[in-house]
Amino acid sequence: QSVLTQPPSVSAAPGQKVTISCSGSDSNIGDRGRFVSWYHQVPGTAPKLLIYDNNKRPSGIPDRFSGSKSGTTATLGITGLQTGDEGDYYCGTWDSSLEVGVFGGGTKLTVL
Amino acid sequence: EVQLVESGGGLVKPGGSLRLSCAASGFTFSMYSMNWVRQAPGKGLEWVSSLTASGSHKYHADSVQGRFTISRDNTKNSLYLDMNSLRAEDTAIYYCAREPAGNQDLDYWGQGTLVTVSS
Repeated sequence: QSVLTQPPSVSAAPGQKVTISCSGSDSNIGDRGRFVSWYHQVPGTAPKLLIYDNNKRPSGIPDRFSGSKSGTTATLGITGLQTGDEGDYYCGTWDSSLEVGVFGGGTKLTVL
Repeated sequence: EVQLVESGGGLVKPGGSLRLSCAASGFTFSMYSMNWVRQAPGKGLEWVSSLTASGSHKYHADSVQGRFTISRDNTKNSLYLDMNSLRAEDTAIYYCAREPAGNQDLDYWGQGTLVTVSS
């Protein structure tokens, strides 16, 4: 049972838009001093940072990817879906109360 | 180019010990917090441990507290994870990851090393 809750799977057609939610609590996502990051993992490879500090993109990540945070929920948005976007997506942050890092359980994206 | 290369994984019996290493290059290792994250076969990511740049503060997940210890040698640009009293549920790929800003944003990851705990 993960501290952060994500939907197990989402799917959409190429070119469409999808959002993935990440629900936490006041001691992690809801803590105003805490930031959420998002990772993409293709099976058999290491995770890759997509979004950091709630809504910032590392160099090389296209602006099709966006992040937001409101209250105890963070959201990843992906527009113009491509087959290369398939894989697992994870949210992550720090829990101030537990003093541990926390991840969501992961969401499998299928581009139909 | 930032590189993180894990080593030390392998097959170990329940109750056994193992030391994982992560060799860092391409950046000033001593300026970054570092983390270990694991992934059991077919499962999601699980944060294991983190260590501040100077090594002064370390944190461990409840699932490994008292059994695993994170450490670093900034003179050797290396991160370590000492794992004792290993259990079958510790079987996973172990990744080391760099944390640039203390916000639990892990910007670079190694390729991982597989630890299998089985009799």
